[in-house]
Amino acid sequence: EAQVTQNPRYLITVTGKKLTVTCSQNMNHEYMSWYRQDPGLGLRQIYYSMNVEVTDKGDVPEGYKVSRKEKRNFPLILESPSPNQTSLYFCASRLQGAGEKLFFGSGTQLSVL
Amino acid sequence: DAKTTQPTSMDCAEGRAANLPCNHSTISGNEYVYWYRQIHSQGPQYIIHGLKNNETNEMASLIITEDRKSSTLILPHATLRDTAVYYCIVRGNTPLVFGKGTRLSVIA
Repeated sequence: EAQVTQNPRYLITVTGKKLTVTCSQNMNHEYMSWYRQDPGLGLRQIYYSMNVEVTDKGDVPEGYKVSRKEKRNFPLILESPSPNQTSLYFCASRLQGAGEKLFFGSGTQLSVL
Repeated sequence: DAKTTQPTSMDCAEGRAANLPCNHSTISGNEYVYWYRQIHSQGPQYIIHGLKNNETNEMASLIITEDRKSSTLILPHATLRDTAVYYCIVRGNTPLVFGKGTRLSVIA
């Protein structure tokens, strides 16, 4: 089944403890992206990647890192999480091109205490 | 910034057609109109997209005006499961930018 898989689904951590949220897709998509969703602010893009070893900042990149060493994986790294990074995170992927649809993962609810 | 304008909320009776409007007056010639929806806190779900022509699939129909400055998403027979936030997005070969969307409530 074609899908975008995120793990974990829920994560509670403490300020400053490094964490990684994994994202994997099995559709051979070139493009991958991370979004965060907060009440009243909607979905905002954190980082995106047009292909392996190519990443770019989205609208809210501060406090996050990403890497794209393999085509299928696009992990989101929080080196020193803070409470303002408590949010619902979504990974997404698609083929390159203007007319291609974006597939989303199920989301990761992160709470930073 | 999102390039679209949508009503904040709409209601629809179960079994009736839901017509969700979207204005995108600054759309460029190479930009597509996409519709996604998000049910509660699930990942956004693709519904349909189009460039110039009207489109139909198993979920919905998309009607794009001739000048491409607005469009309408039509859910032909709305059910309670269609209650969600619906996002209209215009995009060329650029990242998808979400606005606030329309909260559709389907009422029994």
